[in-house]
Amino acid sequence: GAGVSQTPSNKVTEKGKYVELRCDPISGHTALYWYRQSLGQGPEFLIYFQGTGAADDSGLPNDRFFAVRPEGSVSTLKIQRTERGDSAVYLCASSPRTSGGMETQYFGPGTRLLVL
Amino acid sequence: AQSVSQHNHHVILSEAASLELGCNYSYGGTVNLFWYVQYPGQHLQLLLKYFSGDPLVKGIKGFEAEFIKSKFSFNLRKPSVQWSDTAEYFCAVPQGGKLIFGQGTELSVKP
Repeated sequence: GAGVSQTPSNKVTEKGKYVELRCDPISGHTALYWYRQSLGQGPEFLIYFQGTGAADDSGLPNDRFFAVRPEGSVSTLKIQRTERGDSAVYLCASSPRTSGGMETQYFGPGTRLLVL
Repeated sequence: AQSVSQHNHHVILSEAASLELGCNYSYGGTVNLFWYVQYPGQHLQLLLKYFSGDPLVKGIKGFEAEFIKSKFSFNLRKPSVQWSDTAEYFCAVPQGGKLIFGQGTELSVKP
């Protein structure tokens, strides 16, 4: 079946602009995760959803970042007033459920965001 | 909070050489551990995972890892690497529902 998909694959924007990044999880997966990966670093957790609700948003760096998953499937990560330091690859993953972290997370290809 | 550290940032090997990539975790209680791999141009995928039981875990493509509780380690091994193993390797530990990743080790295999 289809894996996790993310759009756009690349996004170039100017400092101060607003961006939306979309994630389409594997069908039937109830848990959805967002991570951010900077060059030379491992993925860094941002937020995860169990169904429609954000179960843990402790990784969001500040209030410019927000994510939604209104119908429990597709999720959108929203970044307001982008800064150059937001440049990174934004990864989405999904899993059938959360079981204290025992579930395998299936990752998408990522969105490469560049803020000029 | 749990954390993982990977001390080898870039490893260069010739084909057929043996591989061992280090991973150390910080938490002394019940631990689950993962190794993920990212091949060039591809997305992160699971190599293997440890939850409990046999501390020697076998994964895909001939990889294995050994959980050594006394050393807080979960090193990744492969007896004979191939050029196609060139990739970035990440160790990760779950915390709640999320994964905490190490910095990653870039493996380059020379043909």
